[in-house]
This record gives sequence, structure tokens and C-alpha cells, in this order.
Amino acid sequence: QKEVEQNSGPLSVPEGAIASLNCTYSDRVSQSFFWYRQYSGKSPELIMSIYSNGDKEDGRFTAQLNKASQYVSLLIRDSQPSDSATYLCAVPAGANSKLTFGKGITLSVRP
Amino acid sequence: KAGVTQTPRYLIKTRGQQVTLSCSPISGHRSVSWYQQTPGQGLQFLFEYFSETQRNKGNFPGRFSGRQFSNSRSEMNVSTLELGDSALYLCASSHGLGRFTGELFFGEGSRLTVL
Repeated sequence: QKEVEQNSGPLSVPEGAIASLNCTYSDRVSQSFFWYRQYSGKSPELIMSIYSNGDKEDGRFTAQLNKASQYVSLLIRDSQPSDSATYLCAVPAGANSKLTFGKGITLSVRP
Repeated sequence: KAGVTQTPRYLIKTRGQQVTLSCSPISGHRSVSWYQQTPGQGLQFLFEYFSETQRNKGNFPGRFSGRQFSNSRSEMNVSTLELGDSALYLCASSHGLGRFTGELFFGEGSRLTVL
């Protein structure tokens, strides 16, 4: 059973700061990792995916993967109040379209 | 193009009753997955259907069941409801073919309250 841990949180940062969200996973053979964002009262949506070690940047968002440490993180630069949401880390769990999700980190960006 | 549609959005049941939830995936998507979301456990995988066949199953008791129809619409059923079944039930669709990109398209969910 693949495990995904998101132990830090809730997280509160001031507007304009960098928010750092962390996730660890148990299965060393995991090859791909995903970050979903869920606004309060809404459903999750995919915002970032990362497949190889290092950084992947998309606008204000950067996903970082360290397979040796089994660690994946999401950095949000210039945080905005609209970034306030729960961020879920996910890994594929076997074949097909199954994902195992972490419990999420709730981010609050203070104006 | 229309998103994933779930019905009903809200429902209240009493212990011992059963409930059926419905999900219509995005047109062209053949995979439908169901997740249970609770504050304590987060998002937990229930099962996945593809072309009317269950492809994956999570660690839930047999009271939780599902099916998929030839038009890819899916239903899940929970029998003999317990208080702990109170949750948001999310349906997600994807193409289901080839390499999984990790992108699931979620519906707005069905919020079940068991009294």
C-alpha cells in the first residue's frame, strides 16, 4: 500500500511571500507525482505534475522532486489570497487511473 | 464541453438505509473512479470502472459497491448505512487509455449525511 504523507499545516503566509508545501511518499519505485488544489467547497483540480528529479516551474508554481529522499514539494512564489486552498499530493497506486492522495495541507494567504 | 456531473448533490439518510449516487463522466472518458473524502481520512479511493468493468478496488467493506453502464455513466451504492459513512463522495473521470497522465477530472461531489 503506497503511503503519502503531508504532515505540516495548516500553513499561513502573508501576501507576496513564498509558500512551501511538502510531501513524502513511501514507495521508492513511484515515478510520477501530482499536486492537486482544492478550494473550500469545491472539488480537487490538477495543478502540477512532475516525473523526474529536480524542479519543474509553471508560472508562480514550482514542483520539486527528490527521489533519493522520497520527497516532493510545491513552492508558490508571490502568494496571493486566491492561492488559499488545500493542496493535495498524489501518486499513482498501481496500474490504470488510481491515485493515492495525502491528507492535504491547508494554505491561507493573509492580505 | 460539460464536466463531470454528480447527483444528488446533498442527501440525508438514516442508519441502516441504503443510498445510490450517480456520476456522468466527461464525454469520451471511459474511466470513472469514486473517492470518499472526510476531514479525518482525506481522499480515499473506493473503486475504478472502465468499460463497465471494475479495474481497481480500494479497502472498503462490501457494503460499498458500484457499476458502470455502457454509456460510461456510473453509480455507487452503499447499503446498511453507518454514521461513519457520512462524507463527500467524489466521482472522477479520465480517458482511461494508455499512460495515465495523473489528471482526474472531479465532479462537485455528493455530500451524504447519515443520522
